[in-house]
Amino acid sequence: QTVVTQEPSLTVSPGGTVTLTCASSTGAVTSGNYPNWFQQKPGHAPRALVYSTSNKHSWTPARFSGSLLGGKAALTLSGVLPEDEAEYYCLLHYGGAWVFGGGTKLTVL
Amino acid sequence: EVQLVESGGGWVQPGESLRLSCAASGFTFSDYGMHWVRQVTGKGLEWVSDFTAAGHIHYSGSVRGRFTISREDAKNVLYLQINSLTAGDTAVYYCVRGTKAVAGVDYWGQGTLVTVSS
Repeated sequence: QTVVTQEPSLTVSPGGTVTLTCASSTGAVTSGNYPNWFQQKPGHAPRALVYSTSNKHSWTPARFSGSLLGGKAALTLSGVLPEDEAEYYCLLHYGGAWVFGGGTKLTVL
Repeated sequence: EVQLVESGGGWVQPGESLRLSCAASGFTFSDYGMHWVRQVTGKGLEWVSDFTAAGHIHYSGSVRGRFTISREDAKNVLYLQINSLTAGDTAVYYCVRGTKAVAGVDYWGQGTLVTVSS
């Protein structure tokens, strides 16, 4: 059973920068895991932010960026806005199946 | 405009079956892989299954054997048949479109709630 691990919670100040990470129990996350990132606010469906490590969707704000960092997938938010407070999930691909991380609750305070 | 509209959710008793549907519009349905993702209220997301544009099907280990994904490209509809429902299947089920060129997903439906209770 593959487990994908994210920080349970993070706090950032408005205007600051924060990096969320996504680790795999099978070892280093690579581009072959096609990391995806999603934002979800209470009462709403998730919204896709990044696919295949670092590709942004047409609606993804420029302040969001995806990368690989130290064997993990990473989502960096620069110039954080109060509206970025939400739950963030990563998704990794494992030769056919996909596995979500447990989510990171980002608080902007 | 891409739209994904799920239906078929509701209240069912343990052991019963249910078929969820996802009506797609605004894109060439047959060109895209499609996924089902579920979420227990207040909990995280769980990937359930996908049906690629090439016709390949995958399931998570937790649902394999009880869930069956299918699609009707002529009608632009994705299905999820769920058998032998248990309380653990109580969740919002989302229909999600895969990205066309590289691996990932993009558009999400609003979800349909399945409640399994006696």
